[in-house]
Amino acid sequence: QKEVEQDPGPLSVPEGAIVSLNCTYSNSAFQYFMWYRQYSRKGPELLMYTYSSGNKEDGRFTAQVDKSSKYISLFIRDSQPSDSATYLCAMRKHGPGGKLIFGQGTELSVKP
Amino acid sequence: NAGVTQTPKFQVLKTGQSMTLQCAQDMNHEYMSWYRQDPGMGLRLIHYSVGAGITDQGEVPNGYNVSRSTTEDFPLRLLSAAPSQTSVYFCASSYSGQAALDGYTFGSGTRLTVV
Repeated sequence: QKEVEQDPGPLSVPEGAIVSLNCTYSNSAFQYFMWYRQYSRKGPELLMYTYSSGNKEDGRFTAQVDKSSKYISLFIRDSQPSDSATYLCAMRKHGPGGKLIFGQGTELSVKP
Repeated sequence: NAGVTQTPKFQVLKTGQSMTLQCAQDMNHEYMSWYRQDPGMGLRLIHYSVGAGITDQGEVPNGYNVSRSTTEDFPLRLLSAAPSQTSVYFCASSYSGQAALDGYTFGSGTRLTVV
């Protein structure tokens, strides 16, 4: 079983929809949770991060972490065609030099 | 521009050939790593380094070697390429232990095909 599981999709939504992307994990030692966005033929770029449990909002994006359920989510409000990309969750343990463990990535397409 | 530079961007190898994928960063990051990305598999860690002279294996190290002689460079070597190593390879770097969060900076990737 992989430490981090993510539904690969693909996910197709109309412009303006609310998008929910999710990951589950098995290692309770994970403390830092991140979402990366990857456009086609590009490297991933950090979109959002949270530490431990709770919510974090940045514009149209909201990241949620529920450590009791080992479940993290990324919500995108008012989705735009420019949001079309692959979204990867990632997480790591506390401490220096910690390795990032990635989910499989969810391919999102927002149709105009 | 500051960031992570990977070369080459594309490469085709014959089975059994060797090659080195180059990775350089100019952000004085201590931590560097190599990932491969395959369809449906996400990013899988090959090797990583927490500083010059220190390397360690990741999730899928077989068939790959690394070294870290300087803070800036972290080359990945394929000693005898196999078709199973056909993939997109990403190098990433970050600060290590200097901040509460290490957000990785990724290079633009090397697309490798082994025939």
